Amino acid sequence: EDKVVQSPLSLVVHEGDTVTLNCSYEVTNFRSLLWYKQEKKAPTFLFMLTSSGIEKKSGRLSSILDKKELFSILNITATQTGDSAIYLCAVESSASGTYKYIFGTGTRLKVLA
Amino acid sequence: NAGVTQTPKFQVLKTGQSMTLQCAQDMNHNSMYWYRQDPGMGLRLIYYSASEGTTDKGEVPNGYNVSRLNKREFSLRLESAAPSQTSVYFCASSEGAVSSYEQYFGPGTRLTVT
Repeated sequence: EDKVVQSPLSLVVHEGDTVTLNCSYEVTNFRSLLWYKQEKKAPTFLFMLTSSGIEKKSGRLSSILDKKELFSILNITATQTGDSAIYLCAVESSASGTYKYIFGTGTRLKVLA
Repeated sequence: NAGVTQTPKFQVLKTGQSMTLQCAQDMNHNSMYWYRQDPGMGLRLIYYSASEGTTDKGEVPNGYNVSRLNKREFSLRLESAAPSQTSVYFCASSEGAVSSYEQYFGPGTRLTVT
């Protein structure tokens, strides 16, 4: 059965701290791994990773994928209160010519001023 | 571009009532999805449509039906609502098929079944 596991489930840090969020997966026919940020409403896209070892960066956020060990990490440096959100990891898998996404339960990050 | 739109935003139903959640996208995407999100459970796939004219069950399809009316629209129907279907429902779309693309999400529908 396909599954995506995120850790930790929740995290409380102070502004300026660096955090690392983890996502491990077991899926058939892996296509890509995606990170989303969810504040009050709909998830918004952060990164898509398809190749091992290539870091994606956007400002203070970065992410990398390890397809051998089946995990990804999302790093946030110099955290700000605006980073408080649920961070979701999703893995896209394919079967019989169709593609679907399996989501983890998310990591709830709270950044204190 | 409105992106992905969902109606209604909020709905309260009594047990046994039926209703249809509407979703439309204006990005010419091939694939569309319905998820439910419950506390501590992440997003769980109910049904998806890889392309116009096809639909497939996801992880939690029981109690739901879907219709891919055309390329733009993908509706989710609850025939006989149950309290266990109280949740936030998200519709999403992606270009789909040939290469990997991110999903774009609608604003969600908060459904309460009493």
